[in-house]
Amino acid sequence: SQQGEEDPQALSIQEGENATMNCSYKTSINNLQWYRQNSGRGLVHLILIRSNEREKHSGRLRVTLDTSKKSSSLLITASRAADTASYFCATGLPGANSKLTFGKGITLSVRP
Amino acid sequence: GAGVSQSPSNKVTEKGKDVELRCDPISGHTALYWYRQSLGQGLEFLIYFQGNSAPDKSGLPSDRFSAERTGGSVSTLTIQRTQQEDSAVYLCASSLWGQNTEAFFGQGTRLTVV
Repeated sequence: SQQGEEDPQALSIQEGENATMNCSYKTSINNLQWYRQNSGRGLVHLILIRSNEREKHSGRLRVTLDTSKKSSSLLITASRAADTASYFCATGLPGANSKLTFGKGITLSVRP
Repeated sequence: GAGVSQSPSNKVTEKGKDVELRCDPISGHTALYWYRQSLGQGLEFLIYFQGNSAPDKSGLPSDRFSAERTGGSVSTLTIQRTQQEDSAVYLCASSLWGQNTEAFFGQGTRLTVV
């Protein structure tokens, strides 16, 4: 089963609205990362939050992490049509050699 | 290099043929990943190389799949006797050693088995 699972699977909002996407995971992590993918090709890193952090901001992005609930949320404020993409969370497990494990992703559509 | 480079961008092959997919990671990145993504699906982990450690091959779906990384740099993913279910986008990523590092992805190779 997936280490990270996002919800909802798909989200459609109007331009200007905020988009909130959630990720849950199963085991202890070292960090959690969010990535974006356009058109089914390469992923682009958005933000990384460490296990000892609770919130992080980057531009219009806000990420929270609740290790007690094993969950994270990605908030995109004032969404734009250009934010339309798939968003993935990825978890890094403890250990220097641990690999990144990705969830199935969320498809976000922002209507102009 | 400027980023992770994968070749070819697209590959169409006949069922039963072998294919090789190449990944050039960012210079100095000791970690290299291969993932597979079927249409509309998430990323399926295939294999992970980290420095001189033994690769984590736990995601390879069958013994038709293999990968190597020469000199700690370029990696080749080989699929033998391709099947139609192997059709997918194969993504390579690299990162610096250690925890709390981001992965940089190539644009992928779209493999179509006909």
